[in-house]
Amino acid sequence: DSGVTQTPKHLITATGQRVTLRCSPRSGDLSVYWYQQSLDQGLQFLIHYYNGEERAKGNILERFSAQQFPDLHSELNLSSLELGDSALYFCASSERRGVYNEQFFGPGTRLTVL
Amino acid sequence: AQKITQTQPGMFVQEKEAVTLDCTYDTSDPSYGLFWYKQPSSGEMIFLIYQGSYDQQNATEGRYSLNFQKARKSANLVISASQLGDSAMYFCAMRGTNTGNQFYFGTGTSLTVIP
Repeated sequence: DSGVTQTPKHLITATGQRVTLRCSPRSGDLSVYWYQQSLDQGLQFLIHYYNGEERAKGNILERFSAQQFPDLHSELNLSSLELGDSALYFCASSERRGVYNEQFFGPGTRLTVL
Repeated sequence: AQKITQTQPGMFVQEKEAVTLDCTYDTSDPSYGLFWYKQPSSGEMIFLIYQGSYDQQNATEGRYSLNFQKARKSANLVISASQLGDSAMYFCAMRGTNTGNQFYFGTGTSLTVIP
């Protein structure tokens, strides 16, 4: 158990809908990262928050947004869902921002868009 | 730009034997970290081992060791005494000082341990 929690574990929805994925980092970790893992794109970095502030953006679509709250939990909002958004979404946390800090991954949320 | 390359889509190893999973990287960052993660069929990503670019010695964590050759820009994972539970996808990853702490992942290697 990495100490990172993600809910829900599975999510099935229809095209055009909006969903929210939730992540709670390990106790004391200030950084939260979101990743998307799909069969054709591999593991793609989406966005990074540090202590409530956005720090880096990766391949995140405009239909997607995220935030980190004062209690450090984070939410990833996916809207106008398309079939291609079906993927495993991971949240990861780390204590600090330095390159020498490993990231601990949550169990992931498997999103299926029908 | 950062790039991680894993050229072995699939590998097989006999139980109790050692196996090396290849990883090469490309970066212009003066300081960076290299990581290996394991993803079993259940889907979770498990951190295995880390190597800093300035570390003089190769990292080791139990049965895992990282064969770091900085001049060749390679960071191969060596698993000794393979076990059936080692069957999984293995991802090499890197983060550098100039890339906003973003992780770059390779495409992964699927390891199957044969009894």
